[in-house]
Amino acid sequence: AQKVTQAQTEISVVEKEDVTLDCVYETRDTTYYLFWYKQPPSGELVFLIRRNSFDEQNEISGRYSWNFQKSTSSFNFTITASQVVDSAVYFCALSLNTGGFKTIFGAGTRLFVKA
Amino acid sequence: NAGVTQTPKFRILKIGQSMTLQCTQDMNHNYMYWYRQDPGMGLKLIYYSVGAGITDKGEVPNGYNVSRSTTEDFPLRLELAAPSQTSVYFCASRNFGTGDEKLFFGSGTQLSVL
Repeated sequence: AQKVTQAQTEISVVEKEDVTLDCVYETRDTTYYLFWYKQPPSGELVFLIRRNSFDEQNEISGRYSWNFQKSTSSFNFTITASQVVDSAVYFCALSLNTGGFKTIFGAGTRLFVKA
Repeated sequence: NAGVTQTPKFRILKIGQSMTLQCTQDMNHNYMYWYRQDPGMGLKLIYYSVGAGITDKGEVPNGYNVSRSTTEDFPLRLELAAPSQTSVYFCASRNFGTGDEKLFFGSGTQLSVL
C-alpha cells in the first residue's frame, strides 16, 4: 500500500529561522512522483515542486530547498530565513505511475511563522 | 486561461438533501479528480476519471457519484447529504505524460450539512 507520513502536525518558528518539514513515503512501485503543495490561509492549493523517482538531485528555489533520499524514502522541505508569508499548511504527496495516476496526500504540516 | 473552475464556492445543505458540485477545466486534461479535505486533515480522494466515460472510486467514495460525459466536465453528486459530508471539496486535473504531472486545483467548495 502507498502512504505518505508527515509526522509534524504543527511547527512554530520566529521569522528568519530556518525550518525543515519532514515527509516519509511508502510505495513498492519503482516509478513514482513526489510533490509539495502549499495551502495558505486563503485555502487554495499551490504547487511548489515535483520530483520523479529517478531524479534524486536536490533542488533549491530561492529560500526553498528539497532533499530527496530514496534510501530513507524521504522528501524533506527546508525553508531558509522564514517569513511571515510562509505561514501555511504544507502537504507532501505521492503519485504512482499506474491506476489513474492517483495522488496520495500526507496529513499536512501547519507552519506558523511569528514576526 | 481559466484552469479548473468549481461552483458553488459555498453551500449549506440540510440532511437528506442532494446537490451537484460542478467542476470544469479548459486545459484539455484527461485526468480529473475529486478530493475532500476535512478540518485539519489532508486530502482524501473520492473519485477520479482517466477520460470521458471512464470513472473509478478513490479512497472515500461512499455517498457520492460522478460522471464524465465530456473531457471538460466532472460533476460530483451527493444524493442524501449527511453531516459527515461536511468538508471542503477540491476538484483537480492533470495531463499525464507531458512531463508536467502536477495537479491543477480548483478553488474549492465549502459544504456544510446541517
